[in-house]
Amino acid sequence: GNSVTQMEGPVTLSEEAFLTINCTYTATGYPSLFWYVQYPGEGLQLLLKATKADDKGSNKGFEATYRKETTSFHLEKGSVQVSDSAVYFCALSRSGSNYKLTFGKGTLLTVNP
Amino acid sequence: NAGVTQTPKFQVLKTGQSMTLQCAQDMNHNSMYWYRQDPGMGLRLIYYSASEGTTDKGEVPNGYNVSRLNKREFSLRLESAAPSQTSVYFCASSENRGQGGYTFGSGTRLTVV
Repeated sequence: GNSVTQMEGPVTLSEEAFLTINCTYTATGYPSLFWYVQYPGEGLQLLLKATKADDKGSNKGFEATYRKETTSFHLEKGSVQVSDSAVYFCALSRSGSNYKLTFGKGTLLTVNP
Repeated sequence: NAGVTQTPKFQVLKTGQSMTLQCAQDMNHNSMYWYRQDPGMGLRLIYYSASEGTTDKGEVPNGYNVSRLNKREFSLRLESAAPSQTSVYFCASSENRGQGGYTFGSGTRLTVV
């Protein structure tokens, strides 16, 4: 079946540090890949997405590239801010599963000033 | 504001009590979903409705029922609450069967004592 594995947290960084959160997936065919962000006490918000191999999703300074050869979709940001502190979820969907989202377990990011 | 609205935001139940979590979206989305979020488990799909008039089980449907009342509303019912159902519940909706990502509500925090 489909599965998503992301690096376990928590991740603690200083402001302006470089961020990478690793995400790998298992799925047949060509899934769509997503990163969601959850701020404290809120629901999940779509951060970025990529629907085919080699696509790069980007938003708010975050980027992730769909790498089919390594089945990965790592999230990166060049310079994090305190306001980026949140839980980040990698997810996939594919047509064979009726496009239901399968989530990773989430990575808690804390950015200190 | 357009989006997904969940009620209530907080609820405490005694074991054996029943309740219904309400969800409504005003984006004219076809598909709606119920997830539960537990520490260290990520989000797990309880039930979903790919379109009005259809519902299907997700990963963890036991102890729950759903009703797709119309295109806007998708409710989740706990017939006899158990402590294992203590969780945060999220409703979500999507167009194009989720290829563009989901829009989530802000969640219902349920405690069963």
